[in-house]
Amino acid sequence: EVQLVESGGDLVQPGGSLRLSCAASGFTFSNYEIHWVRRVAGKGLEWVSAVGIAADTFYSDSVKGRFTVSRENAENSCYLQVNSLRAEDTAVYYCARESLESAMSYFDLWGRGTLVTVSS
Amino acid sequence: EVVLTQSPGTLSLSPGERATLSCRARQSVSSYLAWYQQKIGQAPRLLIYGASSRATGIPDRFSGSGSGTDFTLTISRLEPEDFAVYFCHQYGSSPRTFGQGTKVEIK
Repeated sequence: EVQLVESGGDLVQPGGSLRLSCAASGFTFSNYEIHWVRRVAGKGLEWVSAVGIAADTFYSDSVKGRFTVSRENAENSCYLQVNSLRAEDTAVYYCARESLESAMSYFDLWGRGTLVTVSS
Repeated sequence: EVVLTQSPGTLSLSPGERATLSCRARQSVSSYLAWYQQKIGQAPRLLIYGASSRATGIPDRFSGSGSGTDFTLTISRLEPEDFAVYFCHQYGSSPRTFGQGTKVEIK
């Protein structure tokens, strides 16, 4: 089955860290750029980060310097290391696959998400 | 960044009725707009890309239109499984942005 499955979300104190994982199956993972998108409760979706097929990385201004995205093609997995967490980082984090249609494209596959709660 | 505004916030309709959802961009995104459906606890599902192209396996009761700044998702006749949240997404410029969503609920 073609799918993405996130894991690693948890309750963490402000200033804490987590490592989120995105496990891919059913397709050639190494061919695709993978993105992280989050939904804050009561708000919309926010693009967070991406890792390209050459392991090039991209970040939103709100997480730059605190989050690190990586991929391990041998494991068909993508990771998001989230450090120096703040209350405003509380969200459901989704990984999503970017379509191969063009250089900058839509997301054609998403996971169900993993919940990160930052609270003391 | 490109701000996307969806309306209405909630649409209360009965099965069999037509649903019309709007997504307005503050600046042009050409046709680089997608629509997704999301149900509670499930992954978002791609419905429409390129403003008007249906994704694989999407029923033809779903259609998208528009270009530039004004876009519409139409569900011609609502089926029970169509009651969900729908959101738009522009991928024409960085950072990619999303609308806040429209909830289609059973009247």
